[in-house]
Amino acid sequence: DSGVTQTPKHLITATGQRVTLRCSPRSGDLSVYWYQQSLDQGLQFLIQYYNGEERAKGNILERFSAQQFPDLHSELNLSSLELGDSALYFCASSSASGTVTDTQYFGPGTRLTVL
Amino acid sequence: GQQLNQSPQSMFIQEGEDVSMNCTSSSIFNTWLWYKQDPGEGPVLLIALYKAGELTSNGRLTAQFGITRKDSFLNISASIPSDVGIYFCAGFRDDKIIFGKGTRLHILP
Repeated sequence: DSGVTQTPKHLITATGQRVTLRCSPRSGDLSVYWYQQSLDQGLQFLIQYYNGEERAKGNILERFSAQQFPDLHSELNLSSLELGDSALYFCASSSASGTVTDTQYFGPGTRLTVL
Repeated sequence: GQQLNQSPQSMFIQEGEDVSMNCTSSSIFNTWLWYKQDPGEGPVLLIALYKAGELTSNGRLTAQFGITRKDSFLNISASIPSDVGIYFCAGFRDDKIIFGKGTRLHILP
């Protein structure tokens, strides 16, 4: 158990819908990272937040957005969903404020299926 | 765009054998990372490499940052059943991280 929690574990929705994925980092960690893992694209870094502020951006689509709240939990919002958005979405946290190369602890992931 | 070619895609080995896998790119990276992912779980960082030529060990795992900065290697010695999983390399440069497609390691009984 990494100490990072993600909800929900599974999500099934339809094209065109909007969903919100939630992540609670390890206690004391200020950085939260979001990743997408799909069969086609493999693992891709989406975005990083540190103490509420966006720190780094990866291959995040404009239809996707994220935020980190004062209690440090984070949400990833995916809108106008397409079939190709079906994937495993991971959240990770770290205590460092630096970059994606810092040691991160990954949550168990949310599996999104878009029908 | 930048791509990492990770090979082999999968490996079937006997317990006790040594394992080698690598990642190559046409681009230079400043940092190389190696992760392992067990079924149903998120990746776990195994080794981070920050300098060309660097050789770093973590138990039975050894990884090297290629001298050209375009490749990296991971070796596992004396494999055991819990080594089963998917191993990913990742290269980092200019605030961007790129992951390889993974090497799936199977250990035959």
